[in-house]
Amino acid sequence: DVKVTQSSRYLVKRTGEKVFLECVQDMDHENMFWYRQDPGLGLRLIYFSYDVKMKEKGDIPEGYSVSREKKERFSLILESASTNQTSMYLCASSLGLTNEKLFFGSGTQLSVL
Amino acid sequence: SQKIEQNSEALNIQEGKTATLTCNYTNYSPAYLQWYRQDPGRGPVFLLLIRENEKEKRKERLKVTFDTTLKQSLFHITASQPADSATYLCALGLSSASKIIFGSGTRLSIRP
Repeated sequence: DVKVTQSSRYLVKRTGEKVFLECVQDMDHENMFWYRQDPGLGLRLIYFSYDVKMKEKGDIPEGYSVSREKKERFSLILESASTNQTSMYLCASSLGLTNEKLFFGSGTQLSVL
Repeated sequence: SQKIEQNSEALNIQEGKTATLTCNYTNYSPAYLQWYRQDPGRGPVFLLLIRENEKEKRKERLKVTFDTTLKQSLFHITASQPADSATYLCALGLSSASKIIFGSGTRLSIRP
């Protein structure tokens, strides 16, 4: 079965710190996604990537950047963490082409103090 | 503005009854629609996908309908069980292998 692994389950950072969230998938999927999930707001798309070194902005890219140097790894970067970026971050991947089923990681609960 | 709305934040159903969840959208033209289940503290898990040219899809006790005229999908769980208790999310696929946008979810509770 597909496995999507997020590097940390819980993370606590200080305001202004640079934060890296890592995501790795093991099934050679083309597409990878980063979402954040907040109560009452559901999952909101931050960035997605459909190929190595390719990235597209989602609905809420401000304050975030991403990196996809290898097909299996998609990193989310908070350049200068702020308290309003405290959230659950979920990474997902999909095969691409006509197979759009998303496989999610378990999430990273980030707290910015 | 573009919106995806799921009918209610929470739904309580007696075991054995059919649970019906609604997903409505405005100002989107999805190529397909998906439903996911999410348990507390875990990532969503894919359940069903239905394409814009399909009216209905079934999988065991699950049934999804998709009406592109009404801009609505209905998700049914028949013979509901307490183990079906979870949050259910609908998601729109805006084009093949591209952007996927989620609703805020409906928390379903099945009481014995």
